[in-house]
Formats: sequence, C-alpha cells, structure tokens
Amino acid sequence: SYDLTQPPSVSVSPGQTAMISCSGDVLPRQYASWYQQRPGQAPVAVIYKDNQRPSGTPERFSASSSGTTVTLTISRVQAEDEADYYCQSVDSSGAWLFGGGTKLTVL
Amino acid sequence: VQLVQSGGGVFQPGGSLTLSCAASGFTFKNAWMVWVRQTAERGLEWIGRIKSESDGGATNYASPVEGRFVISRDDSNSRLFLHMSGLQIEDTAIYYCTTVTFWGQGSPVTVSS
Repeated sequence: SYDLTQPPSVSVSPGQTAMISCSGDVLPRQYASWYQQRPGQAPVAVIYKDNQRPSGTPERFSASSSGTTVTLTISRVQAEDEADYYCQSVDSSGAWLFGGGTKLTVL
Repeated sequence: VQLVQSGGGVFQPGGSLTLSCAASGFTFKNAWMVWVRQTAERGLEWIGRIKSESDGGATNYASPVEGRFVISRDDSNSRLFLHMSGLQIEDTAIYYCTTVTFWGQGSPVTVSS
C-alpha cells in the first residue's frame, strides 16, 4: 500500500478536463508535488509547493487542495498529456511519500 | 538545469557501488538533494536526503536502506553521490537524483547472482 492514495486510472477525451485526486493524512500540513512520467522517461515535476508550476509546465496544469485531498487538474487535455502521474508529499521527519500513480489515458 | 547521473549496472548480492549525479544550471550548494528509486512492483520509493551544508548537511534514510546506503555531496564540484553496499535483490531498481523540480535521467541497478 502507499502512503498517498491515487486512482489507478483516469480516462478523458481530448479537449476535456482531467482531474486526478491524491489523498493522505499529511496533506493538510505538508506541501504536495505532482510528477508526470512518460514511458521510459524520468519523472518531470508539473506542480510543486501545492500549486506552483515549474517553468515549462503549461498553464493547463493546476492543482488545488481540500482537507486531506489534493487534486491535479489538466484543462484542455492533449494527446501529449497521456502519462503516469504521481503525487508526492513529506512526513514529519522529511521523508518523501508517494502515491501509487495514476495512468491518464487520452481517448 | 541538468542533473546527469552515472554509475549503475549489474551487481552481485552483497556487493557495492556508487552512483553519481552531476548538477549544473543552479546553485547546487544551496540545494537539498534526494535519491529516489523506482520499480514496477513498489513504484516510486524515497531512499534518502542530504541537506545543504548551510543547513547542517544532515542525511536521512528510509528504513530499507539505513545502514547500507550513504548519501554524500561534493559542493566544490556540484556532485551528489549514493554509496550503496550490502546489495540485496530488492535493491534492483532505477535510481534517480532529484531536487523536486529537477530529476536526473535515472541509473538502472540490477542485483543478481
């Protein structure tokens, strides 16, 4: 099991909005980050410190939080967004926690 | 910004190796650096962290690697290291160095007899 809980898969049509949730007890107290990972590649941060976009991340990517759940929202989904997405936070000792990943399929 | 990793390969159980991560494009000495590994079975797994020297330079490790893995840094050459010893089959994974926003390309490590 994983310290952060994500749905295994999300499917969306091109141009629609994808929402990927991540739940965990630490999330109200700690920053969350989101990573995109395409097959055979290293993870790439798309969101850090809850809602900050690294340079190069399209504005279509955003994140929000409510209680113990954070949500990655991808607006106007494109075929290139198809990937695995992982949420990450930290525990009280500073150890990183990861979700199990969500496979985003663009139909 | 780049994190370029080297090292990795096939090693026997009980063996040792060192992974290296060369940083450029940012002020390495101020960065807290992290090692993460990934397998299909366990997903992404935090291995440990080293703080910047200005923040004390302390290291922290995950339980499965505590006492076997050591993280160090060479700020003069902007390099991060992961010294791995007492290798176990379960250490087979792709290893990444990361600062959160930047990730290395990954170093595959296979432990097999």
